[in-house]
Amino acid sequence: AQTVTQSQPEMSVQEAETVTLSCTYDTSENNYYLFWYKQPPSRQMILVIRQEAYKQQNATENRFSVNFQKAAKSFSLKISDSQLGDTAMYFCAFNTGKLIFGQGTTLQVKP
Amino acid sequence: EAGVVQSPRYKIIEKKQPVAFWCNPISGHNTLYWYRQNLGQGPELLIRYENEEAVDDSQLPKDRFSAERLKGVDSTLKIQPAELGDSAVYLCASSLGSGTYEQYFGPGTRLTVT
Repeated sequence: AQTVTQSQPEMSVQEAETVTLSCTYDTSENNYYLFWYKQPPSRQMILVIRQEAYKQQNATENRFSVNFQKAAKSFSLKISDSQLGDTAMYFCAFNTGKLIFGQGTTLQVKP
Repeated sequence: EAGVVQSPRYKIIEKKQPVAFWCNPISGHNTLYWYRQNLGQGPELLIRYENEEAVDDSQLPKDRFSAERLKGVDSTLKIQPAELGDSAVYLCASSLGSGTYEQYFGPGTRLTVT
């Protein structure tokens, strides 16, 4: 079975600091995509960053970057210079034709 | 470009009543998804459409849930009759195609069954 596990239900970080959210997954597929989605309290799910499994280089999007370890099936998200607007629930997901989400991590950025 | 539109945003009904949710995907997106998101959990796929054809409805409780996507554009998800356990947020998403294309989500409909 394909599963995604986020072991940190809640995290908090001070504004301007760096925080890393963890994600592990299990699949027998070799080609897939990994995503981090952000869901603010308003509920609109927004794509933060994506990673193609065949690419060794870690994806980056401004303050957001990932640490993709394919052999370990690990896909963590690092948020640098945290901002109050980063407060949200973050979901790790992977797609082999079907998008499967983790349970989510609630991130609180404190002023 | 308009995003995925859903209505209503909130719905409160009594158990055993019917309810329907509507979704308008991004123009040009052939693939449409309905997800259910329970409180504090990640979304779970209910059904996926390729144009007007339902190609993955294995997680849809067919005894009470139904969906349609007439003309391959708008879609409606219906529950009849609703049960207390159906309380959740129902999310619609769309993408250019199936597979690994990025999915764009609507704001969701929060359903409360009393």
